[in-house]
Amino acid sequence: EAQVTQNPRYLITVTGKKLTVTCSQNMNHEYMSWYRQDPGLGLRQIYYSMNVEVTDKGDVPEGYKVSRKEKRNFPLILESPSPNQTSLYFCASSPFDSPPGELFFGEGSRLTVL
Amino acid sequence: AQSVTQPDIHITVSEGASLELRCNYSYGATPYLFWYVQSPGQGLQLLLKYFSGDTLVQGIKGFEAEFKRSQSSFNLRKPSVHWSDAAEYFCAVGPTNFGNEKLTFGTGTRLTIIP
Repeated sequence: EAQVTQNPRYLITVTGKKLTVTCSQNMNHEYMSWYRQDPGLGLRQIYYSMNVEVTDKGDVPEGYKVSRKEKRNFPLILESPSPNQTSLYFCASSPFDSPPGELFFGEGSRLTVL
Repeated sequence: AQSVTQPDIHITVSEGASLELRCNYSYGATPYLFWYVQSPGQGLQLLLKYFSGDTLVQGIKGFEAEFKRSQSSFNLRKPSVHWSDAAEYFCAVGPTNFGNEKLTFGTGTRLTIIP
C-alpha cells in the first residue's frame, strides 16, 4: 500500500531532550516536506527536500533540523525541544511528475513538550 | 505574499443538508487552489484542485468547488452531507516556487454533522 509513515504518532517529552520524528514513504517520491499544524494558524511548512541531499528551509525552520540521506526517509530533528514546539506535525511527499501541490500526507505526529 | 482565509472556524449541518465552506485567497496571479480534508486521526487527503479552465471542479466524495476570480473565492460545496463527512477542511493555494511544492493553507473549518 502506498503510504507516508510517521513515527512516533504521539510523544510527550521534556524541554531540552533531543528527539527525532521519522518519516518514510514507499512511493519513490523525490519531494518531501514537513509541516506543523497549530490551532488558528493552519499548516505551516518547516523544511522541504527536493531530492537526496537537497534540503531547504520553509517558513518556520527555527529549532528544527532535517536530513535526506535516502530517498525514502526524511527525519525531523528537534535538538533541544521547547514548549512552543508543541504541535501536530505532518510529513508529506510527492513525485516530480505530479501536478503541483498534490501532496501525500502522513497521519501526523502529535508532540507535547513540557 | 499569498494568503488564504477561511472565515468559518466551525460549521454544524444536519445529515442530508447541503454544505458550503468558504475560502478566500490573496494571490498575485492565477492561483493553483486546493481543498484538503483531514478526518479525525488521519492525515490530509486531497479533495479537489483548480489549475485553469472550467471554474467548477469536481472532486472525490461528491464534493465540488467553484473558482470565482472576481471574488477571489474558491468555495467548497456538497449537495447532501453524510455523517462520514465530519472532518476538518483546509483550503490552500500554491505552489509558487519551482521545486518547492509548498502550499499556503487556511486555518481550517471544522465540520460537525448532526443526525
